[in-house]
Amino acid sequence: QEQLVESGGGLVKPGGSLRLSCAASGMPFRDYYMTWIRQAPGKGLEWVSHISDGSTASYYADSVKGRFTISRDDAKKSLHLQMNRLKVEDTAVYYCVRWRPFGMDVWGQGATVTVSS
Amino acid sequence: DIVMTQSPDSLAVSLGERATIKCKSSQSVLSSSQNKNYLTWYQQKPGQPPKLLIYWASTRGSGVPDRFSGSGSGTDFTLTISSLQAEDVAVYYCQQHFSNPRTFGQGTKLEI
Repeated sequence: QEQLVESGGGLVKPGGSLRLSCAASGMPFRDYYMTWIRQAPGKGLEWVSHISDGSTASYYADSVKGRFTISRDDAKKSLHLQMNRLKVEDTAVYYCVRWRPFGMDVWGQGATVTVSS
Repeated sequence: DIVMTQSPDSLAVSLGERATIKCKSSQSVLSSSQNKNYLTWYQQKPGQPPKLLIYWASTRGSGVPDRFSGSGSGTDFTLTISSLQAEDVAVYYCQQHFSNPRTFGQGTKLEI
């Protein structure tokens, strides 16, 4: 079945870097826009970044612009989020999500990122 | 940015009763060219990722029970659960897909 599995989460100090990955299976990965959504502890959902099919376009929330970079490897059916200059407020569960024009229909289980000294 | 505001923040409903959640956008999310409202509802149960419930404001997602329904257009939308079941306890979010950033409402916690 269609599945997304995140990896790469962990504990990092403020100012540090982390790279999240997402492995897709059961779907023609190259055909879809992909997104990262995050959820801080006890809080709501925040759109972080998306990348188009073919990597021709990407978008970043203002809160991460200039620090995070989204990329994809269609041959390996994988999505990545390079996170630099991390801040305490970046602490969250990060979800890899397939985006369709009507909404986000396939979600991973999430990777936990904790930024703390 | 389009601001999405849900009401109420939390709601307690008895089993078998109707639950109604509102979502208001700061500007219209209706595409006149496609005649579609770019409004989606998600359900998030504790410890799980969100699940798509309703898209285009009123179309149920795959496998979603028919007790869930969505309505509204333009800037005002409603999610209705006609007869609350125990498994419907969750946080419900609306999201607009009309423009970047694809903003979410703050969430509505539904309890029994």
